Amino acid sequence: DIQMTQSPSSVSASVGDRVTITCRASQGISNWLAWYQQKPGKAPNLLIYDASSLQSGVPSRFSGSGSGTDFTLTISSLQPEDFATYYCQQTDSFPPTFGGGTKVEIK
Amino acid sequence: QVQLVQSGAEVRKPGASVKVSCKASGYTFKNYAAHWLRQAPGQRLEWMGWINAGNGNTKYSQKFQGRVTITRDRSASTAYMELRSLRSEDTAVYYCARDGGGSGSDLDYWGQGTLVAVSS
Repeated sequence: DIQMTQSPSSVSASVGDRVTITCRASQGISNWLAWYQQKPGKAPNLLIYDASSLQSGVPSRFSGSGSGTDFTLTISSLQPEDFATYYCQQTDSFPPTFGGGTKVEIK
Repeated sequence: QVQLVQSGAEVRKPGASVKVSCKASGYTFKNYAAHWLRQAPGQRLEWMGWINAGNGNTKYSQKFQGRVTITRDRSASTAYMELRSLRSEDTAVYYCARDGGGSGSDLDYWGQGTLVAVSS
């Protein structure tokens, strides 16, 4: 199975800050990567697919980049509703696997 | 609008089985695969398997092979996940999710989750 490693595991930030989260795959996955946001007690919500494509309805302050083994999710200007946990998922091969999550907390 | 509505919370004893349902609406059910995943407390999401809602073909994670069965009822637009021989480590929130339909297995809509608690 492909292992997905996220960093940092948590980040403290203020409203308006730029936040970057990194995800590394244990082997090359081209651009087959998705990012999700999950709030406590809720199901994950797809933000980005194919590494950099914005899911319909997701604010443009979210962006994704990368290919091969290294990927980033950037929130350009953090909003109050963005405090949540973010997960990456490789969609290249079965079984799909997820990173351990990055919790974005209020500073 | 697309909705996936799962059945309610379940409590089971070790060794028992549980079957969770996921009713889809707002799209043509047979045109999209349905995935099942779980999330144990404080843990990362874990993929269990998926079903092609059109032809019923399934694929399972090796971790759950032999213990999980995913089925669907096209007439009811509903997918099901049955997990057998439950143990305490199976306590988790179980999710169904729709495959985005692209070349990768991104998941564009999710059910609300079903808590399954396994305790003696």
